[in-house]
Amino acid sequence: DAGVIQSPRHEVTEMGQEVTLRCKPISGHNSLFWYRQTMMRGLELLIYFNNNVPIDDSGMPEDRFSAKMPNASFSTLKIQPSEPRDSAVYFCASQGLASNTGELFFGEGSRLTVL
Amino acid sequence: RKEVEQDPGPFNVPEGATVAFNCTYSNSASQSFFWYRQDCRKEPKLLMSVYSSGNEDGRFTAQLNRASQYISLLIRDSKLSDSATYLCVYYSSASKIIFGSGTRLSIRP
Repeated sequence: DAGVIQSPRHEVTEMGQEVTLRCKPISGHNSLFWYRQTMMRGLELLIYFNNNVPIDDSGMPEDRFSAKMPNASFSTLKIQPSEPRDSAVYFCASQGLASNTGELFFGEGSRLTVL
Repeated sequence: RKEVEQDPGPFNVPEGATVAFNCTYSNSASQSFFWYRQDCRKEPKLLMSVYSSGNEDGRFTAQLNRASQYISLLIRDSKLSDSATYLCVYYSSASKIIFGSGTRLSIRP
């Protein structure tokens, strides 16, 4: 079975440009998480969805960040306008309702560089 | 105070050694704890769950101390392939999952 799929894997953009990161969770999983990882701050939870509904977005840095989950198989994280301090690896992860271990399955991440 | 705190390391130990590191958490209501492993430039992956009674998986032993609010990971007979960053994780509520910043482990030949 396919795991969590993220795109793009790498993106280099200039300050001020819009960035859209995409995620396809594992089929049948009902929770989806967006994390950001930097050397300085580690893995930070940005937002998570349960059954396509945003539950907690308190980790979203500011209004420049937005996330959507229009259906169970797709989510986007958008940054507009982007700034150099947004440079990080952005991970999407999904979790199944029936998962007794509570295991999170991560995508390979989207490495963003804002110049 | 951060919700989860870990010694960042790096821990640099010889192959075959035993190494242990802890993770402290601030939310006493936390119910579920885990250790994840992250290889360089890769995504985190579940290593093992942490049960109140302690649990073992081969060379790895995880323990939870609720009174002192910390979890630990012990690796025996370390291998070169154990070199990675180890992340402690807890659920602060039904779905909110918090990661520590990770402890870097390097095993030398």
